[in-house]
Amino acid sequence: DAGVTQSPTHLIKTRGQQVTLRCSPKSGHDTVSWYQQALGQGPQFIFQYYEEEERQRGNFPDRFSGHQFPNYSSELNVNALLLGDSALYLCASSLTDRVYGYTFGSGTRLTVV
Amino acid sequence: QQQVKQSPQSLIVQKGGISIINCAYENTAFDYFPWYQQFPGKGPALLIAIRPDVSEKKEGRFTISFNKSAKQFSLHIMDSQPGDSATYFCAASFFFSGNTPLVFGKGTRLSVIA
Repeated sequence: DAGVTQSPTHLIKTRGQQVTLRCSPKSGHDTVSWYQQALGQGPQFIFQYYEEEERQRGNFPDRFSGHQFPNYSSELNVNALLLGDSALYLCASSLTDRVYGYTFGSGTRLTVV
Repeated sequence: QQQVKQSPQSLIVQKGGISIINCAYENTAFDYFPWYQQFPGKGPALLIAIRPDVSEKKEGRFTISFNKSAKQFSLHIMDSQPGDSATYFCAASFFFSGNTPLVFGKGTRLSVIA
């Protein structure tokens, strides 16, 4: 049973560029949440997608956007990258937004130079 | 503001010793308190979780102690092993989430030395 799959694993982008990160949820899960984990910090909630809609959003600017597809996979897009966007981006999937079923992927390490 | 404060930031324990990590929360409506373990290059993995209807939950060498009146909970790792060396995060949320996400502490880096 495949867990949460994220791609790519590592990414280097230049300040001002745009980036798209991808997530495939665990089989049977229909909800995807995205978190940003800065170095030495705990994960910070970006947003959550359920039924192809953004259901909840954390304190992140509009430069951060997302999408969920009919097969429950999801994308995180970040526009106009800043140096401070450098972090590990984690995708977590669950069944119908229940946090106790959260399964995290290994993340995408984004470095902005 | 919904915050979870975690301490200590780092911890060094001898093999076979007890590791203790503490967390405090502010929102009394939280009713789900998980602990996550994260190894370098990996995402967090659920270790153990507790709800406020019990004061303690034990799973193998890992125990959560919960003090509802003090709004605190802690993770105890008994007989700590070098393989336990990782970063541990406490978190809080609502069991019947309603889309409310997990709120994480800042993490504790545990090193178990032989």
